[in-house]
Amino acid sequence: EVQLVESGGGLVKPGESLRLSCEASGFTFNDYPMNWVRQSPGKGLEWVSAISPRGGSIYYAASVTGRYTVSRDNAKNALYLQMTSLRAEDTAVYYCARGRGNCISRGCLQNFDYWGQGTLVTVSS
Amino acid sequence: DIQMTQSPSSLSASVGDRVTITCRSSQRISSYLHWYQQKPGKAPELLIYDTSYLQSGVPSRFSGSGSGTEFTVTISSLQPEDFATYYCQQSYSSPLTFGGGTKLEIK
Repeated sequence: EVQLVESGGGLVKPGESLRLSCEASGFTFNDYPMNWVRQSPGKGLEWVSAISPRGGSIYYAASVTGRYTVSRDNAKNALYLQMTSLRAEDTAVYYCARGRGNCISRGCLQNFDYWGQGTLVTVSS
Repeated sequence: DIQMTQSPSSLSASVGDRVTITCRSSQRISSYLHWYQQKPGKAPELLIYDTSYLQSGVPSRFSGSGSGTEFTVTISSLQPEDFATYYCQQSYSSPLTFGGGTKLEIK
């Protein structure tokens, strides 16, 4: 059974940093691109970042470029999101999602076939 | 970026009704259109991928169609467990983008 379990969310002040983790199980982790997708309270879904199966290709939404860093450790079946210079508008539930598709020069073009339960990040003074 | 627009944004229907939700893209996206269902407090779940293929385990009352810039998901006979919010998503180009959602409520 595929499982994705996020952790690391919490309450931080504007300008602070936070690191999210996602532990994967039930599938061959290094065969799939992985993603972070967020959802602001009461709002829709926003893709945040993608990383190719071996980690060689990384992509970000414009809203987080330069502030967020995605990484993966295939030996540990883990995905990470380092978030810095956090803003109020980054407040959201952050989901880890397995991608099904291909990573090419212009992006990881995929749908998301499995999702974690999400971890809430709140940025407030 | 490709903009995805869903209509309606909310919909009231009764158990047994046939319901259709529409998603339009700001440019042609071939068949790279996917649908998700999200229930309150839960993560989204993939329902339909590549316009018309049902994800494993999804009931056959769900169907998807469309091409180019206009796509639909239809529920042939609403069941109580289908009341949720539905999102479309394109994977034609990066950044991947979602529609704003359609909330399906019980009449």
